[in-house]
This record gives sequence, C-alpha cells and structure tokens, in this order.
Amino acid sequence: NAGVTQTPKFQVLKTGQSMTLQCAQDMNHNSMYWYRQDPGMGLRLIYYSASEGTTDKGEVPNGYNVSRLNKREFSLRLESAAPSQTSVYFCASTQVAGAYNEQFFGPGTRLTVL
Amino acid sequence: GENVEQHPSTLSVQEGDSAVIKCTYSDSASNYFPWYKQELGKRPQLIIDIRSNVGEKKDQRIAVTLNKTAKHFSLHITETQPEDSAVYFCAASNDYKLSFGAGTTVTVRA
Repeated sequence: NAGVTQTPKFQVLKTGQSMTLQCAQDMNHNSMYWYRQDPGMGLRLIYYSASEGTTDKGEVPNGYNVSRLNKREFSLRLESAAPSQTSVYFCASTQVAGAYNEQFFGPGTRLTVL
Repeated sequence: GENVEQHPSTLSVQEGDSAVIKCTYSDSASNYFPWYKQELGKRPQLIIDIRSNVGEKKDQRIAVTLNKTAKHFSLHITETQPEDSAVYFCAASNDYKLSFGAGTTVTVRA
C-alpha cells in the first residue's frame, strides 16, 4: 500500500496563478483533510471531508476550495494564489473521523508563491 | 473552537536525559489527544495517543499523561536518543477535527 500520496512535491507560482494539489489514499479511509504548516504555527486545518460527498471548512479556508472526487481522492485548489499562501501543504486521512482514529499524513507539497 | 497551547517551543537535552512537553486545551469536550513526531522534511507520524477516560499511557520510552480537570496533557520521553531529535506536536479533538499545538523542536545532544 502506498498510503497517502500527494502531487506535486514542489511548486512555484506567481501571484494570481491557480493550481490544484492532488491527494489520494489507498487505505479505504472515509475521512480526508487538508492542512497547511507554517513555521511556529503547527498544522492548521484548511478543509476536511468527513465522508465521500461532504466537505466542510476548517480553521483557515479563505482562498481555497476543495473537491472530494471519490472515496480515494481529495483535491485542494488555489484559484488566485497569494504570497500568504506560501506554505507546506499536507493531506491526511483517517478511517472514521471523530472515532479516536489515527490520521495518516501524505509527504507534503511545498508551495512558494512569488 | 478548540485552542491548544504547547510549551516549550524548543527543548535541548543531553542524550540519556528525559524530555517533557506540555500542552493545554480549552474545550472541555475534547476527548482524544494524540502526539505526532515530525522529522526534518518528513510527514508527521503518530507516536502515542490517549483518550479522555485514561489518565496515563506508556509505550516503551514514551508516555503521555492527561489531567482533564486542569485541561492539560504532557509527553514524557525517557532515556533520550539522537533519533528522538524532531518536532513534536500535540493535538486535541472532540469531533471530526484535530487542533494542533504549535510544536516543540527537540534536540538531543550527544
């Protein structure tokens, strides 16, 4: 099993450009999450999908959109990138959200917005 | 929403000594408290977790304690080794979401 995979690993954008970060898991998990990690700020939740067909805002959703394409895939879109969105983005999944289950993280995408 | 504070932000210990990281949370309804370890350039990985109906849990050299009344929980690492050098995150949850602390960078000096 590959676990949680993310593409791309690195990306450089110019202000105003758009892009989609891809995430997939092969563990048959129901719940998926997108976080951003900035120095000294821990992991902050952007959006999550508790189950296929549902998505909800997290702590820092502004400037982002998500799509739960199917049970395996959860994408994060930046419509008009800003320098404040320079960060490392992690996708995570868990069997069932809210049931004491471990969240498994992907390898991360390092995004720089110039 | 839940607010998790973590201290200290950096911790340097001599190899073989113990390391303690403390976290406080704000939402008394939180019932699950995992700890994640993140090595440089890697993804966070769960190292231990505790539920609200348990006061202490051990796994070899690591242990976690929970004080629900005071709303704080701690990670204890004994007999530290160079491979324990990493960033450690505490988190708290009472629903679908985890709220993370800001992280503690632990450096084990040889």
